[in-house]
Amino acid sequence: QSVLTQPPSVSAAPGQKVTISCSGSSSNIGNNYVSWYQQLPGTAPKLLIYDNNKRPSGIPDRFSGSKSGTSATLGITGLQTGDEADYYCGTWDSSLSAGQEVFGGGTKLTVL
Amino acid sequence: EVQLVQSGAEVEKPGESLKISCKASGYTFTSYWIGWVRQMPGKGLEWMGIIYPSDSDTRYSPSFQGQVTISADKSISTAYLQWSSLKASDTAMYYCARLYGAAADCWGQGTLVTVSS
Repeated sequence: QSVLTQPPSVSAAPGQKVTISCSGSSSNIGNNYVSWYQQLPGTAPKLLIYDNNKRPSGIPDRFSGSKSGTSATLGITGLQTGDEADYYCGTWDSSLSAGQEVFGGGTKLTVL
Repeated sequence: EVQLVQSGAEVEKPGESLKISCKASGYTFTSYWIGWVRQMPGKGLEWMGIIYPSDSDTRYSPSFQGQVTISADKSISTAYLQWSSLKASDTAMYYCARLYGAAADCWGQGTLVTVSS
């Protein structure tokens, strides 16, 4: 059971927009930055969004991130078949004395 | 270019020990936390623990405390993940990743560990 809750799957047609939610608590999302990762089939994860809404160099602006309270959202516009992947949110959780990095359970995006 | 290159796939028997590596290049190894992530077959990502190579400060996720050892050799910019006694349930892909603040901004290619009798 992941500390962060994501929907198992989402789907949308090419060219459309999709959002993926990530729900947590005050010990993680509520008081820490959120990141988002894309994992294409058979490859290592790649950072898409950091510090809630910043994109690393080379990530297209079709990808966006936002945070409100204890939840975060990844948005993808202009969907392409190449966006089919698993998406994970991540943050720091300070509920334990030393704190730890945590991921959501992942969301599989299908582009119909 | 920031790069993390991991050691190759391993096939081991239950009870055996194993140490896999992650060699960093393109940045100051001692200035960033580096961590290990497990991905069991068909499952999601799990943080195992992180280490700060400058002083070897190491933090383990509760699920992995006592099950693995994370270390680093700053003289060769390499982080390690090791097991003293492998179990079949350790079969998974293992990734190392550099932490930029709270985000893992650079990932290794992964090391597949298969534990089978």
